[in-house]
Formats: sequence, structure tokens, C-alpha cells
Amino acid sequence: GAGVSQSPSNKVTEKGKDVELRCDPISGHTALYWYRQSLGQGLEFLIYFQGNSAPDKSGLPSDRFSAERTGGSVSTLTIQRTQQEDSAVYLCASAASGPNSPLHFGNGTRLTVT
Amino acid sequence: EDQVTQSPEALRLQEGESSSLNCSYTVSGLRGLFWYRQDPGKGPEFLFTLYSAGEEKEKERLKATLTKKESFLHITAPKPEDSATYLCAVQPHSGTYKYIFGTGTRLKVLA
Repeated sequence: GAGVSQSPSNKVTEKGKDVELRCDPISGHTALYWYRQSLGQGLEFLIYFQGNSAPDKSGLPSDRFSAERTGGSVSTLTIQRTQQEDSAVYLCASAASGPNSPLHFGNGTRLTVT
Repeated sequence: EDQVTQSPEALRLQEGESSSLNCSYTVSGLRGLFWYRQDPGKGPEFLFTLYSAGEEKEKERLKATLTKKESFLHITAPKPEDSATYLCAVQPHSGTYKYIFGTGTRLKVLA
């Protein structure tokens, strides 16, 4: 079966521009997560969705970051007025409902802000 | 505060040289502990889930074990293709959706 799909795989943008990152989770997975991974750093939690709701947005670094999920499936992470410190790999993961469900990750979007 | 610490940060092994990676955790009740493998330019790939102390899981040259304070990922007779970053994550009882990740161990197996 298909895994988690993220697009684009790479994105280079100029400082100040807006970007949209897309995540297609595994079909039937109700939980969806966005993480950020900087070079040599661990996984930084950004936001968690259960269905279309986001009970925890506490990891979003600033109000320039927003995310939505529609139809309990596809999610979009939007970064407005990008800054150089936003450069990182943005990873999406999904999980089935129920406790102890492992996260299944996509291959990420590598964002470079010039 | 819930926390996960992995050691060593980096490990170089000769092919066939067995070793272990450590994941120490402090959580308010463990719901599950997860091991992942991450190759350069890829997302983490799920390996194992462990639920309770004393549990063990195996896959090819990898065996994961769990105690009340830590987990080990034992690599037996590693091959160069086992080179990757290995990540550990815990899910505490207190927040059933939370996954707390360690910073990983970068493993390099030399031929």
C-alpha cells in the first residue's frame, strides 16, 4: 500500500515569500503530525491533527506558521513571509487510531530560504 | 519532564563487530517505546514497538529490548547497509498522542 507522501520534495524560496507544503497520509490514518528537522538536530514537534481538528498547535514557532487538514486526509503546512531560519526538512507522519500506534513518516520537504 | 536521551551520538563499527545503542527515558508512565531507522534524505522508517519491561523484538540483525528506564538496540554482525541514524521515541501515558524523540545515534559500519 501507499505510504505517506509529501510534496514538493525540495523547495527553494526567497526570504519573505510564502510557501505551502503538502502531506498525503496513509489512507484511514486519523492522526497526522508535522515535525521539523534541522541539520544535526532532533525532531521538533510542530502540530498534531486528529481528523480535521488540531488539538495541539503548541509547536508552531510563530504566527507565520499555520496548518490545516481537510476531509480527514490531506494536510497543508503554510509558512508566510519565510525567513532564513525556517530552512529545514519538514516531515509529516500519520498514525492509525488507538494507543501505541507507531508513526509512519513521509520523506519530507527540504525547504531552503535564500 | 518527559525526556529521551540516546547514546552514543555517533558510532563507527567494523563489519561484523556487534554493539548496542542506548535509549534512556524518563516519562510519567510508558505507553510505548518506538525505534526508527533514518537514512540520509529519507524520513524515519518504523522498526519496533516495545510496550513493557522485559519485552524483546527482533528483525534480521537487530534486536530491541526494554527495561523500566531504558531500551537497547543490539546490532549483531552489522553490515555496511545497516549504516543509518537510529531514533528512539516514547509515548507517555499522560498524553496519548505525544511522541517524544531522542536526537538519535548515527551508525557507520565500515566494510
